[in-house]
Amino acid sequence: DVKVTQSSRYLVKRTGEKVFLECVQDMDHENMFWYRQDPGLGLRLIYFSYDVKMKEKGDIPEGYSVSREKKERFSLILESASTNQTSMYLCATGELAGRKQYFGPGTRLTVT
Amino acid sequence: EDKVVQSPLSLVVHEGDTVTLNCSYEVTNFRSLLWYKQEKKAPTFLFMLTSSGIEKKSGRLSSILDKKELFSILNITATQTGDSAVYLCAVAPGNYGGSQGNLIFGKGTKLSVKP
Repeated sequence: DVKVTQSSRYLVKRTGEKVFLECVQDMDHENMFWYRQDPGLGLRLIYFSYDVKMKEKGDIPEGYSVSREKKERFSLILESASTNQTSMYLCATGELAGRKQYFGPGTRLTVT
Repeated sequence: EDKVVQSPLSLVVHEGDTVTLNCSYEVTNFRSLLWYKQEKKAPTFLFMLTSSGIEKKSGRLSSILDKKELFSILNITATQTGDSAVYLCAVAPGNYGGSQGNLIFGKGTKLSVKP
């Protein structure tokens, strides 16, 4: 079974803090994704990576950056957290054939 | 612009009812369509459909794809309270540029099953 883990289930941070969200997968998939999910807006793609040290902007990259130093690990960074970044963050890893994605448990981030 | 539209956005039914959830799409170079179920945490995979007219079935859930009319339906028969969840539809476009592996998600249908 594919396992995708995220570093925290719940996180509370203050405005202006630097926040790191980590995602680790054990399936040797090339593709990894970061989404945020908000009521009424659905899942929105922030960044994705299809290889080590490669990254591509998704639909809403502003205010975020990512790091992929190892194949199994994909980190999302909020350089200076703001209240409008309060959300559920979901990491996913993906097969290229067919495009099936496997999701981690999510991190609910609150920025106060 | 590629897009996926799900309807209805929310639905309330009683146990034992049959429901049909809809997903229509517009996407360049269609590759596959996927259905996910999301309860209070991460989405879990239900079905992946690539060919028209072939029903995928798992217990009380089934799904079918119509590539000519660009839609899919997810049917749930004899609903139970455990079916209460958000059901997400996603479409995988064909390979192009650096967007390999991306999915385009609809906003989901929130299903509530009352006892």
